[in-house]
Amino acid sequence: DQQVKQNSPSLSVQEGRISILNCDYTNSMFDYFLWYKKYPAEGPTFLISISSIKDKNEDGRFTVFLNKSAKHLSLHIVPSQPGDSAVYFCAASGRGGSEKLVFGKGTKLTVNP
Amino acid sequence: EAQVTQNPRYLITVTGKKLTVTCSQNMNHEYMSWYRQDPGLGLRQIYYSMNVEVTDKGDVPEGYKVSRKEKRNFPLILESPSPNQTSLYFCASSFWGAETQYFGPGTRLLVL
Repeated sequence: DQQVKQNSPSLSVQEGRISILNCDYTNSMFDYFLWYKKYPAEGPTFLISISSIKDKNEDGRFTVFLNKSAKHLSLHIVPSQPGDSAVYFCAASGRGGSEKLVFGKGTKLTVNP
Repeated sequence: EAQVTQNPRYLITVTGKKLTVTCSQNMNHEYMSWYRQDPGLGLRQIYYSMNVEVTDKGDVPEGYKVSRKEKRNFPLILESPSPNQTSLYFCASSFWGAETQYFGPGTRLLVL
């Protein structure tokens, strides 16, 4: 049973526009959510996170929104840049420094110049 | 420079020939973990370690072993590799728990 779902395998946007990547989860015990970015031939790098006590967290061009009632989170990138082209993984963990991080399958974002 | 290193980066081997992929971190992290990435399946956790001498199974531990004798090192051992273990492997570490992990560059393994 897939606990963290990224239903869009790929997304293509124009440079300067908004990119919205979506993630759904099924486990109500998850209370901390992260987004990782992965370039080819590199390991994933941490991008932004959000705790379940918040509904929004912003870091520069990146904003993560959390809708707990819908068990849904999204990553907004504004404005999108060609260097943002990568695979984005959504991940979730349980309460209080959980031992495990559960990842989605990833969404490949392509930002076209 | 703070980093997670893995060796080797690329490995081709044959079925049944034991191999070890090393992982080392220089950030004094308590938590370390191994993942495999396969097309269409994302990142799946193999094993993790909360501290020295403390290891536990992740979601896909079959066919793998790990050890944590020192805080900085967390090797992944394949006692008898099989073709279904052909994958891209990542080691990761963090100060505590599974949040905000730092990943190594990956090891691409091909088992013939």
